[in-house]
Amino acid sequence: QVQLVQSGAEVQKPGAAVKVSCKASGYTFTNYYMHWVRQAPGQGLEWMGVINSRAGSTIYAQKFQGRVTMTRDTSTSTVYMELSSLRSEDTALYYCARGEEHVFDIWGQGTVVTVSS
Amino acid sequence: DIQMTQSPSSLSASVGDRVTITCRASQSIGYFLNWYQQKPEKAPNLLIRAASGLQSGVPSRFSGSGSGTEFTLTIRSLQSEDFATYYCQQSYSAPYTFGQGTKLEIK
Repeated sequence: QVQLVQSGAEVQKPGAAVKVSCKASGYTFTNYYMHWVRQAPGQGLEWMGVINSRAGSTIYAQKFQGRVTMTRDTSTSTVYMELSSLRSEDTALYYCARGEEHVFDIWGQGTVVTVSS
Repeated sequence: DIQMTQSPSSLSASVGDRVTITCRASQSIGYFLNWYQQKPEKAPNLLIRAASGLQSGVPSRFSGSGSGTEFTLTIRSLQSEDFATYYCQQSYSAPYTFGQGTKLEIK
């Protein structure tokens, strides 16, 4: 079946970087965009950016420009999201979501990232 | 950036009730509006795409309408499993912003 499986929880120190993976299966990977959305504890959904799985091109939310990098490996149908210069406000649940015309029809299970000294 | 504003932020209702949630966009987005349901500790789930298109597998008691800047999600005859948080999202242009969410609670 179509699914997105994300990497496990991460604990990082302020100033460090984190790299979260999202492995797709059950569909043609390069036919869809992949988006990243995060959710801080008790808060709403925040769009971070998108990668074109075929071309590798990206669009990032202004808020994360310069700190986020999204990449993909078509040989393993995996997308990566790296967030650098972490601060406590980056503590959140990070989701990848398949984008069909930028409608998020399939979501990963989420990856908890905790930033703490 | 397109701002999405939902109302109300929270709502209490009973099983069997009909409820409506509104989402307003800061500029016209045509029909590029989607609705998601999120239950605690779970990833969001797509309910409605393109303002009124029911996603496969979603019960028909959910419906969406609207265009331009104003949209509504209606749940006819609430069931216990519908108590959750609902988000709208515009897919018109990046950044693909969400509303702040509407928490639907049991009265």
